[in-house]
Amino acid sequence: QSALTQPASVSGSPGQSITISCTGTSSDVGGYNYVSWYQQHPGKAPKLMIYDVSNRPSGVSNRFSGSKSGNTASLTISGLQAEDEADYYCSSYTSSSTLRYVFGTGTKVTVL
Amino acid sequence: EVQLVESGGGLVKPGGSLRLSCAASGFTFSSYSMNWVRQAPGKGLEWVSSISSSSSYIYYADSVKGRFTISRDNAKNSLYLQMNSLRAEDTAVYYCARDRMVGATGVGYWGQGTLVTVSS
Repeated sequence: QSALTQPASVSGSPGQSITISCTGTSSDVGGYNYVSWYQQHPGKAPKLMIYDVSNRPSGVSNRFSGSKSGNTASLTISGLQAEDEADYYCSSYTSSSTLRYVFGTGTKVTVL
Repeated sequence: EVQLVESGGGLVKPGGSLRLSCAASGFTFSSYSMNWVRQAPGKGLEWVSSISSSSSYIYYADSVKGRFTISRDNAKNSLYLQMNSLRAEDTAVYYCARDRMVGATGVGYWGQGTLVTVSS
């Protein structure tokens, strides 16, 4: 039972675009279109930003977008803003008979 | 508005037990699968356990299997996590979380969490 792999940190200047990768296997990310992305500010609960690979919940800025290729999913934040500085986690459904979800290792986004 | 409120966290000695509760409101609780997700201090999110709407399907992470038991009471709109044989590595904020949609997969809503500290 391994976590999905994310880069530990990504940074960018205001207005720039950044992309966070999330690498799994054919049993999770690659096998299903059930990848979600969460934003978490310090001391706060996670917030859903993307579901089913590329869909945004109501109220989430369209600066956030998601995609997937093979066993790797990606979250792109365009027009980076100071408020985007947070930790980001991906998650996927997994086909394991005893598990249900797996989370990524997490990425710290820093706005320079 | 979906609301999930966890309770029951606290300080417990290694080997001890604790029962977490989650009070749900703002939606038809009996229709949704529910989950527990934890986060150790300064660490990432870890899925712990899931239970289907009618309790027919239950899943556990390997790290808690045999020690933790998830359950729900649809009449009381409540989710529970019975934690036995607690270890220092179980120290974390425990979040109650609801699937985004009925029949869909992926966590959509989170409570604010309750802190469990396992220490002598």
